[in-house]
Amino acid sequence: QSALTQPASVSGSPGQSITISCTGTSSDVGGYNYVSWYQQHPGKAPKLIIYDVSNRPSGVSNRFSGSKSGNTASLTISGLQAEDEADYYCTSYTSDSSLGPYVFGTGTKVTVL
Amino acid sequence: EVQLVDSGGGLVQPGGSLRLSCAASGFTFNNYAMSWVRQAPGKGLEWVSGISNSGGSTYYADSVKGRFTISRDNSKNTLYLQMNSLRAEDTAAYYCAKDLSAGRGFDSWGQGILVTVSS
Repeated sequence: QSALTQPASVSGSPGQSITISCTGTSSDVGGYNYVSWYQQHPGKAPKLIIYDVSNRPSGVSNRFSGSKSGNTASLTISGLQAEDEADYYCTSYTSDSSLGPYVFGTGTKVTVL
Repeated sequence: EVQLVDSGGGLVQPGGSLRLSCAASGFTFNNYAMSWVRQAPGKGLEWVSGISNSGGSTYYADSVKGRFTISRDNSKNTLYLQMNSLRAEDTAAYYCAKDLSAGRGFDSWGQGILVTVSS
């Protein structure tokens, strides 16, 4: 088991909705409701946008939503805006001790066309 | 307002050592677990190490186990990462991060500090 699998890139036009998947195993994504998502703009620190699969921190736009089915978690961005262009990472708690308590996804670059 | 300020990075030769610090403010530091996460140039995020709120439990990724040591001084609201036997593949931006609670993710991040391992 290594990193969680995300698509390398996803694109959409302004106003559209896009979905980013995050696929793991029953030892991480499928076994726990501890999936979180982060947005990272170039040269900046990551920012938490979803935690516990589907909860949004205070101040995060409700255009961001999260869900999970089996071993795959998903982040949906609705009403895509230019400022949503960034890298997105999922992470999950994992019971695989070789990885530590956390495993990150491979990351997805979102492009707003 | 939660603030995490990373410091201590720089250029070091292979086999050398470096200690990173993370000064925390705006929250009750000794109530929260903390972690270090790194990002190699042009690459994704990698969890490196974590420590419980009391400092009594520590965790490491296999890639750094035996070479890195995480610690904290709750009286100084500061998190540390002692990095020994550094390798070229340890070159990365290192971020300290505040755990929501154990295993649930990170709700605040430092600005990141660059560590370059090169001769």
